[in-house]
Amino acid sequence: GAGVSQSPSNKVTEKGKDVELRCDPISGHTALYWYRQSLGQGLEFLIYFQGNSAPDKSGLPSDRFSAERTGGSVSTLTIQRTQQEDSAVYLCASSFTSSGANVLTFGAGSRLTVL
Amino acid sequence: GENVEQHPSTLSVQEGDSAVIKCTYSDSASNYFPWYKQELGKRPQLIIDIRSNVGEKKDQRIAVTLNKTAKHFSLHITETQPEDSAVYFCAANLGSNTGKLIFGQGTTLQVKP
Repeated sequence: GAGVSQSPSNKVTEKGKDVELRCDPISGHTALYWYRQSLGQGLEFLIYFQGNSAPDKSGLPSDRFSAERTGGSVSTLTIQRTQQEDSAVYLCASSFTSSGANVLTFGAGSRLTVL
Repeated sequence: GENVEQHPSTLSVQEGDSAVIKCTYSDSASNYFPWYKQELGKRPQLIIDIRSNVGEKKDQRIAVTLNKTAKHFSLHITETQPEDSAVYFCAANLGSNTGKLIFGQGTTLQVKP
């Protein structure tokens, strides 16, 4: 696509429920990144993919968080048994490749609210 | 772990004045330093970046300087306008051969008309 697409744009869920957030990167971009932005805060790295592999998942906050990428394109971030502290905007970005200095282009984000 | 520190956290200037935001990084292998602008409720957008083989880069009213020895880089905005009001994030890549970016905590810039 022309840009990075994320869905849903907004998600309200109850504590304890599972959520899935989807990211569709720019066509041809092999690298995909997930960041989290809590209200008024900076961008916290979660995980990145090069192709379908995740060389670095060091930012995932707990084992309730997981992500996958299939076909070298769409990625899904799954949060199980959501907690209130999971409330944030989840941003996805893609770049041509993950090696060296490459421009990251961000999506509009998925705003998650856990009640 | 590796980190990026950004100062100030908030900055208020009069329209037409200059604004300077400073960042320091810890990974000496970093070689890519982008700056992103995020308007309220919008996605971060790249406004300028610099690679470690240059010390300064300019694009109209925006310039970035890099001091690799001191491991710091700065964003300079001249002749500020109200539409420059936003949150600005600096970032550095982790290691010389990775696109993974570590971001600073952001600077909220307010330009008063």
